[in-house]
Amino acid sequence: RKEVEQDPGPFNVPEGATVAFNCTYSNSASQSFFWYRQDCRKEPKLLMSVYSSGNEDGRFTAQLNRASQYISLLIRDSKLSDSATYLCVVRPSGGYNKLIFGAGTRLAVHP
Amino acid sequence: DGGITQSPKYLFRKEGQNVTLSCEQNLNHDAMYWYRQDPGQGLRLIYYSQIVNDFQKGDIAEGYSVSREKKESFPLTVTSAQKNPTAFYLCASSIPGQGGNQPQHFGDGTRLSIL
Repeated sequence: RKEVEQDPGPFNVPEGATVAFNCTYSNSASQSFFWYRQDCRKEPKLLMSVYSSGNEDGRFTAQLNRASQYISLLIRDSKLSDSATYLCVVRPSGGYNKLIFGAGTRLAVHP
Repeated sequence: DGGITQSPKYLFRKEGQNVTLSCEQNLNHDAMYWYRQDPGQGLRLIYYSQIVNDFQKGDIAEGYSVSREKKESFPLTVTSAQKNPTAFYLCASSIPGQGGNQPQHFGDGTRLSIL
């Protein structure tokens, strides 16, 4: 079983739609959680950290369920510019800042 | 503007050749990392360094070597022992994250191919 698993997609949605991605992680002692965005042939960029109480940044909402070991990302009112691959990233417990990356979920927003 | 600079953007390696990928950061971060990304896969950690003059193997270090002589610089050498070097190589840096919620910030990558 992979340490971080994501549905690869693609998710094809029209502009204005709401779309949700889920991610599961295997290490119950994981400490920190992030969503990164990666455009085609570009580097990953931090979208948002994920906090236990859930957090929102504009149209983006992240949730963490420690009991079920899953993380979600909700995008409301999708824009064409949201088209990208979204990477779920987990920091397991440990002495250094090791991050485990999921393979990503691809989102395509169409007019 | 602070950031991470990787060079070159594209690199071609001949069989039996060692090549070195450059990574420089001016974010004053202590920790630096090298990842490899293959199509359809997540990033995999090659080497990391938490402080100058110290580095550790990641999950796929075989066929690679690094040095960390300066805080700002963490070059990666892909040796001839790495039989499948074609990939997208990403360098990252962060504040050391012991107990903290520290994200990593990435350079824009180097694409390495075999000639």
